[in-house]
Amino acid sequence: QSALTQPASVSGSPGQSITISCTGTSSDVGGYNYVSWYQQHPGKAPKLMIYEVSNRPSGVSNRFSGSKSGNTASLTISGLQAEDEADYYCSSYTSSSTPCVFGTGTKVTVL
Amino acid sequence: QVQLVESGGGLVKPGGSLRLSCAASGFTFSDYYMSWIRQAPGKGLEWVSYISSSGSTIYYADSVKGRFTISRDNAKNSLYLQMNSLRAEDTAVYYCARYSSYNVYFDYWGQGTLVTVSS
Repeated sequence: QSALTQPASVSGSPGQSITISCTGTSSDVGGYNYVSWYQQHPGKAPKLMIYEVSNRPSGVSNRFSGSKSGNTASLTISGLQAEDEADYYCSSYTSSSTPCVFGTGTKVTVL
Repeated sequence: QVQLVESGGGLVKPGGSLRLSCAASGFTFSDYYMSWIRQAPGKGLEWVSYISSSGSTIYYADSVKGRFTISRDNAKNSLYLQMNSLRAEDTAVYYCARYSSYNVYFDYWGQGTLVTVSS
C-alpha cells in the first residue's frame, strides 16, 4: 500500500487561507469517507484535526475545514496564524491488505 | 483526561528484540481499539498495527508482518508491541494511539518512545 500523496510544503501569510491536498485512489480516499487529518508540531505527538473528511473534534478551531472530491481530499486553514506552522498528515481507510494509510506529509510555513 | 504513556524504547542491535508498552488511563481501555504508529527520524507517519478491544482482531503493516506482535492486557490497561528480528529501518519513534474503528481515526496519541536499531 503506497502512501497518499501530499505536497511537501505549503506556505502563506498570516490571515490568508491555504489548502493542502491528499491524493489517493478509489481503494482509499475515493472509495470511503474515512479521511482524517493530523497536525504535528516539531518534537510533539500528532493531533487529530479532522475526521470523516470534514468533521472537527471538539476543541479544534473552526478555521480548519476538510473536503473531498473524487480521489483527492483537502484540508483548508483559513485566517492562517503563526501557531498553525506545523506538519500535516492525512490518513485514510483502505481496502487493501492493510486497513490504514497515511499521507506523505506537508510542512506548512507561515511567512 | 485521556493519557497514553509509552515506554520500552532504546538502542538494540540488528536482529535483536524489544518490547514496547503503552499505559492507558482516563478512559475505559477495554472499550477501544488501539494502534501503534511509527515515525522514522525526519520522515512521515507509518501505521504499524492495530488490535480490537477484545484482542480478537489484529492487523499489521506488511513491513512488520511476521516480526512484530501486538497484544493487550485489559486488566492492566496496557498495550504492547513485541518487536523481533529488528532492522535498521525499524528505527523510529513509536506512538501508541487510541483508534476509532467505526470512524477510522486516531483520536489520542502518546508522546512516543524512540527505538534505535544500530550496531
